[in-house]
Amino acid sequence: QQQVKQSPQSLIVQKGGISIINCAYENTAFDYFPWYQQFPGKGPALLIAIRPDVSEKKEGRFTISFNKSAKQFSLHIMDSQPGDSATYFCAASSGATNKLIFGTGTLLAVQP
Amino acid sequence: KAGVTQTPRYLIKTRGQQVTLSCSPISGHRSVSWYQQTPGQGLQFLFEYFSETQRNKGNFPGRFSGRQFSNSRSEMNVSTLELGDSALYLCASSLNRGSQETQYFGPGTRLLVL
Repeated sequence: QQQVKQSPQSLIVQKGGISIINCAYENTAFDYFPWYQQFPGKGPALLIAIRPDVSEKKEGRFTISFNKSAKQFSLHIMDSQPGDSATYFCAASSGATNKLIFGTGTLLAVQP
Repeated sequence: KAGVTQTPRYLIKTRGQQVTLSCSPISGHRSVSWYQQTPGQGLQFLFEYFSETQRNKGNFPGRFSGRQFSNSRSEMNVSTLELGDSALYLCASSLNRGSQETQYFGPGTRLLVL
């Protein structure tokens, strides 16, 4: 019940296209859903996050869509650029703890 | 503001040895968490420290331990190393505890156990 399932495992998108990564969870106690971006040799960096009382959040080219009833959330990267090529992790957390439960990651390659 | 720093960045040990990794959080941050990242298991939570106390622990054997000092700096220790402990160990800091606190990750310490 603590798992966060992420798909796809890898994704190839053409420059200018839309990248979509999906995550699903079981634990209804989760109250925060961040997405992290990780480049090779670096630690993950927070990209964008959403709370379950919001259905969508947009920051620049990045949008999170959240479906509470389906217990699913997704990251959309509009106008994907080669510089977006990285590994993306969805995560979930709850309560008074900092503990993050991470998805398995999606390796995104944006081709020029 | 300087980011989260971790030392050393790379480490090679042999089975049976022990290792200590260090993490300096962002100035003013009081919470430090540790994660293990491997290709097979992904990112897994090890433990969380706040005000020098361990607040939460992941599902790892007792060989994995940690501590936090009064200046919020943290160390983690792995005793009796096994080949499977080879991983990238990441430290994350945040201002306070709470699921909605932004966590800032360091670059990690890459440990190779031979």
